Amino acid sequence: QKEVEQNSGPLSVPEGAIASLNCTYSDRGSQSFFWYRQYSGKSPELIMFIYSNGDKEDGRFTAQLNKASQYVSLLIRDSQPSDSATYLCAVRSTDKLIFGTGTRLQVFP
Amino acid sequence: DGGITQSPKYLFRKEGQNVTLSCEQNLNHDAMYWYRQDPGQGLRLIYYSQIVNDFQKGDIAEGYSVSREKKESFPLTVTSAQKNPTAFYLCASSRTVLDRDSYEQYFGPGTRLTVT
Repeated sequence: QKEVEQNSGPLSVPEGAIASLNCTYSDRGSQSFFWYRQYSGKSPELIMFIYSNGDKEDGRFTAQLNKASQYVSLLIRDSQPSDSATYLCAVRSTDKLIFGTGTRLQVFP
Repeated sequence: DGGITQSPKYLFRKEGQNVTLSCEQNLNHDAMYWYRQDPGQGLRLIYYSQIVNDFQKGDIAEGYSVSREKKESFPLTVTSAQKNPTAFYLCASSRTVLDRDSYEQYFGPGTRLTVT
């Protein structure tokens, strides 16, 4: 079983819609969770992190964490074509991060 | 500007040659990391260092070596023992591994290595 799982996609949404990206993890003791955005050919860029159960909002982005279900998600409101990228979920395990393989998001005009 | 630099952006080598990838940060971060990314796969940790003169193997350390003589620098050597060295190599840093609230990792622009 993979430690951090994401649907590879692509997830296609129309411009202006809400994109919902999901991630599950296997280590019940994990405390820190991160979302990175990676454009094709570029390095990952940190966009959100969350440590507590519930929602955390930053602009058009909302991270949601449910530790009981071992589930973390990223919502992107008012999706734009510039949001088209691969989104990587990362979970802290002791002193390192474990990354999922990413979900490719396509936002079409 | 503070950040992480990696050089070169593209690197080509012949099989059997060792090659060293550079990573420098001026963020005053304690911890530094090297990852490898292959198409369709997530980031895999090669080596990481929490403090100067100390480093630990990650999940795929075989065929790689590192040094951490300065806080700002964490070079990675890809040796001829690495069987499939062609990949996108990413360096990252974080303030510390000791504090949960300081654990965000930030990435450099990456080096794309091609070995033929």
